[in-house]
Amino acid sequence: RKEVEQDPGPFNVPEGATVAFNCTYSNSASQSFFWYRQDCRKEPKLLMSVYSSGNEDGRFTAQLNRASQYISLLIRDSKLSDSATYLCVVNSNDYKLSFGAGTTVTVRA
Amino acid sequence: EPEVTQTPSHQVTQMGQEVILRCVPISNHLYFYWYRQILGQKVEFLVSFYNNEISEKSEIFDDQFSVERPDGSNFTLKIRSTKLEDSAMYFCASSEARGSGSGLYEQYFGPGTRLTVT
Repeated sequence: RKEVEQDPGPFNVPEGATVAFNCTYSNSASQSFFWYRQDCRKEPKLLMSVYSSGNEDGRFTAQLNRASQYISLLIRDSKLSDSATYLCVVNSNDYKLSFGAGTTVTVRA
Repeated sequence: EPEVTQTPSHQVTQMGQEVILRCVPISNHLYFYWYRQILGQKVEFLVSFYNNEISEKSEIFDDQFSVERPDGSNFTLKIRSTKLEDSAMYFCASSEARGSGSGLYEQYFGPGTRLTVT
């Protein structure tokens, strides 16, 4: 079983729409969770950390379900600039980040 | 805003040659990392480094790879004898702290070095 599995997408949505997707992780001892975004051939950029209680940052909302071992990301009022690959990332021990393969989102005008 | 920098942005080398990829982590960060991403694949952890020694390494990080912090600012990845399959984007990252905490452990990535082995 992969350490981190994501909806591969692509999710193709119109501007202003809401889009949501999940990822699951295999290591129940994982402590820290993140969403990064990656634009084509660029570095992963931290979008937000995911806290146990769930958290929101502007139009982005992340949820963590430890019992089911999944993390979700919801994007409200999508903008063209939200088009990217969203990487689900889990800190499975103190040093190493484990990355999912990414969910591609394309926002169209 | 402080950022991780990497040089060169693109390195082309012949199979069997040695390459050194350079990184300058964010100045107050103490933990340093290398990751790689083969084209079309996910980002993979290579190694973490703290207090002048390797903290953890993956199975990818074999004897052909080494890391060093030669001075107070640079962090390097050396590949001794490159293979075709080493062609990838190599990302350096750094964090203030490690593991669980209150945000201090978030890892920030540099723009990457694209390594092409021919």
